[in-house]
Amino acid sequence: QVQLVESGGGVVRPGGSRRLSCAASGFSFSAYGMHWVRQAPGKGLEWVAFIFYDGTEKNYGDSVKGRFTISRDNSNNMVYLEMNSLRPEDTAVYYCAKVMKAHDTNGMDVWGQGTTVTV
Amino acid sequence: DIQLTQSPSSLSASVGDTVTITCRASQSISIYLNWYQHTPGKAPKLLIYGASRLPSGVPSRFSGSGSGTDFTLTVTSLQPEDFATYFCQQSYVTPPWTFGQGTKVEIK
Repeated sequence: QVQLVESGGGVVRPGGSRRLSCAASGFSFSAYGMHWVRQAPGKGLEWVAFIFYDGTEKNYGDSVKGRFTISRDNSNNMVYLEMNSLRPEDTAVYYCAKVMKAHDTNGMDVWGQGTTVTV
Repeated sequence: DIQLTQSPSSLSASVGDTVTITCRASQSISIYLNWYQHTPGKAPKLLIYGASRLPSGVPSRFSGSGSGTDFTLTVTSLQPEDFATYFCQQSYVTPPWTFGQGTKVEIK
């Protein structure tokens, strides 16, 4: 079945770095855009970053622009989030999610269980 | 950026009740509005896409309506597993893919 599994979370000091990974399975990964979305303690969902199916375009939320980098490896069905210059306000559960339709950008129909980053 | 405002922020209901949550966009987003259900410790789940369409596997007690700036999520005959937080999200003008602030549905 379609599955996303995040890893890489942990405790990081302010100013530090961390790389999150998301392993995808059960679908044609190279045809789907992928998002990272986070939820800080007691807060709502916040979109973090998006990467097109072929990696040619990447978008970032204002709060992480210039500090976070999204990337993907279509050969190994992986998407990554490289996080630098981490701040206490980056503390959150980080989810990866796939878009609903191939080569599209609308909707997030499958989500992982999340990985927790504490700064 | 498009802002989404949900109301209410929280509500209390009983099993079997019908609940309605609204989401208002700061500008027209046609029908590019999705709804998600989030239970603590679980992955968020897509409930409604395109304002009113149910993905495969979502129970028919969930329904969505609206277009332009005003949208509604209705849950009829509330079940114990429906007590969760619900978020709307727009995909009309991106980036960013914005979410509403959430509506927590609690047991009365």
